[in-house]
Amino acid sequence: EAQVTQNPRYLITVTGKKLTVTCSQNMNHEYMSWYRQDPGLGLRQIYYSMNVEVTDKGDVPEGYKVSRKEKRNFPLILESPSPNQTSLYFCASSLSTDRAWTFGSGTRLTVV
Amino acid sequence: AQKVTQAQTEISVVEKEDVTLDCVYETRDTTYYLFWYKQPPSGELVFLIRRNSFDEQNEISGRYSWNFQKSTSSFNFTITASQVVDSAVYFCALSRHALNFGKGTSLLVTP
Repeated sequence: EAQVTQNPRYLITVTGKKLTVTCSQNMNHEYMSWYRQDPGLGLRQIYYSMNVEVTDKGDVPEGYKVSRKEKRNFPLILESPSPNQTSLYFCASSLSTDRAWTFGSGTRLTVV
Repeated sequence: AQKVTQAQTEISVVEKEDVTLDCVYETRDTTYYLFWYKQPPSGELVFLIRRNSFDEQNEISGRYSWNFQKSTSSFNFTITASQVVDSAVYFCALSRHALNFGKGTSLLVTP
């Protein structure tokens, strides 16, 4: 089944403890991206990637890092999480920017 | 810069009413792509439609229809004869290297 898989689905962590949210797609898509969803703010881009080793900042990249060493994986790294990064995170992938994006199921992160 | 505005934060209708969700966009690109996504209470994001900037034909899919007007930079979404299962948050988005979303419209359809 074609899908984007995010892990974990839920995570509670403490301020400053490094964490990684994984994202993997099995559709051989070139493009991948990360979003955070907050009440009243909709979904905002964090980072995107156009291919292996090609990444760029979205609208709210502060406090996040990404890497794209393989086509299928696009992990989101929070080096030192803070409570304002408590949010619902979505990973997505697409064959190209004119095609539909497929989203993962989301990761609900709470930083205390 | 790209921007998508969904001015309606929340809409509440009674089942079987028609409802239109507004989407206005800004872009300097001459070729661009617009999308609508649905987020039901379960939380997943479901693709509904994609429209490119050089195709202004309106689209109908069952009870759903979309009106794309380049002259007013709008891409509105109409649900005809709404049903309770249509209750969700609907997002309009513009695509460049990734999706730029509006803030969403929460639609509540009551019996």
